Amino acid sequence: KAGVTQTPRYLIKTRGQQVTLSCSPISGHRSVSWYQQTPGQGLQFLFEYFSETQRNKGNFPGRFSGRQFSNSRSEMNVSTLELGDSALYLCASSLGAGDTQYFGPGTRLTVL
Amino acid sequence: GESVGLHLPTLSVQEGDNSIINCAYSNSASDYFIWYKQESGKGPQFIIDIRSNMDKRQGQRVTVLLNKTVKHLSLQIAATQPGDSAVYFCAENRAGANNLFFGTGTRLTVIP
Repeated sequence: KAGVTQTPRYLIKTRGQQVTLSCSPISGHRSVSWYQQTPGQGLQFLFEYFSETQRNKGNFPGRFSGRQFSNSRSEMNVSTLELGDSALYLCASSLGAGDTQYFGPGTRLTVL
Repeated sequence: GESVGLHLPTLSVQEGDNSIINCAYSNSASDYFIWYKQESGKGPQFIIDIRSNMDKRQGQRVTVLLNKTVKHLSLQIAATQPGDSAVYFCAENRAGANNLFFGTGTRLTVIP
């Protein structure tokens, strides 16, 4: 089975812009979770989607949003980018709640 | 790299020795625990997991121990190899949820 894929792998944006990141889960997995990884804060949970519904949300501002499509693919969007949004954004998929989450390679976002 | 600015605990071991990486978790409601390995430029890779109804689980060259009384988790790697050099994260998941809480990570360096 193919693993979790994320596109693009690298992005450079400027402050105030918005960005959309994409994640394709492992075939058959219906849950997709997003995480932000930074040197200062480590790995932090953003949100989780299951069957096109957001089930859980972390402690991030409303500028961070996401959605899931009927084929379980997910996108996350960050609007009005700030310098502090520079991070590695990771997507993980699992069969369902409480199952093992498998991570993609991440999207490295740099905000200038 | 991702670890700049994050003061990770470090562990250096000789090739062939056993490694023990420790982790304290915070929430007594957590019932599922996972160890991930992250190499530079990659997403976290699943190593081994354990549910709260167990206190030990073994995989290939790895063993996870869970002590619920003191909320402590450890990862033992037998016959450590240079390819084991990476940052290791423990993560906890709470019943019915799919939002992992990650520890700060430990950087393991294997000396040939």
